[in-house]
Amino acid sequence: NAGVMQNPRHLVRRRGQEARLRCSPMKGHSHVYWYRQLPEEGLKFMVYLQKENIIDESGMPKERFSAEFPKEGPSILRIQQVVRGDSAAYFCASSPPTGTSEQYFGPGTRLTVT
Amino acid sequence: LAKTTQPISMDSYEGQEVNITCSHNNIATNDYITWYQQFPSQGPRFIIQGYKTKVTNEVASLFIPADRKSSTLSLPRVSLSDTAVYYCLVGSEDSSYKLIFGSGTRLLVRP
Repeated sequence: NAGVMQNPRHLVRRRGQEARLRCSPMKGHSHVYWYRQLPEEGLKFMVYLQKENIIDESGMPKERFSAEFPKEGPSILRIQQVVRGDSAAYFCASSPPTGTSEQYFGPGTRLTVT
Repeated sequence: LAKTTQPISMDSYEGQEVNITCSHNNIATNDYITWYQQFPSQGPRFIIQGYKTKVTNEVASLFIPADRKSSTLSLPRVSLSDTAVYYCLVGSEDSSYKLIFGSGTRLLVRP
């Protein structure tokens, strides 16, 4: 049973470009979460999605950031017009419908904005 | 959401038992205590979760006193591969999905 998959593992973008981060949850998991981690800090919650629904996006910046989890395919975290401050590791996690506090994390995508 | 306080770092040697204590003085009645482990360049990994008294699994034990204002993660006979950051999280079932990670405890296991 494959774990949570994220791609790409590393992404370099110039300021002003768009970044698209993908996350495939574990088989059987219908809940997806995105977190951001700055160097030497803990993870910060961004958004919680179920299939085709955003449940809680209270941790998402109001502008330039969006997330989706379509009926088919991976969850996408999209960052438009990236700035240097967006450089961070972005982790996706998934969980089954029960037990949302036990989340399974992917390896992360390290975004570098130059 | 209850705030947690942990030591910034700890050192140990292979084969020793390591106990990491977390303070959560304003823990609510409905809150659970969960511990995650994170290796460099990897996502966190769930270790253990408990509500009160003692919980044990194949990886660790979690001790929670009666007042629940603190908890202790116990790692028996650590090895070099246990070198990681350990996070203590507190949250209720209602908002359990919104994991709140502090700065964690950096455990260094020496040979």
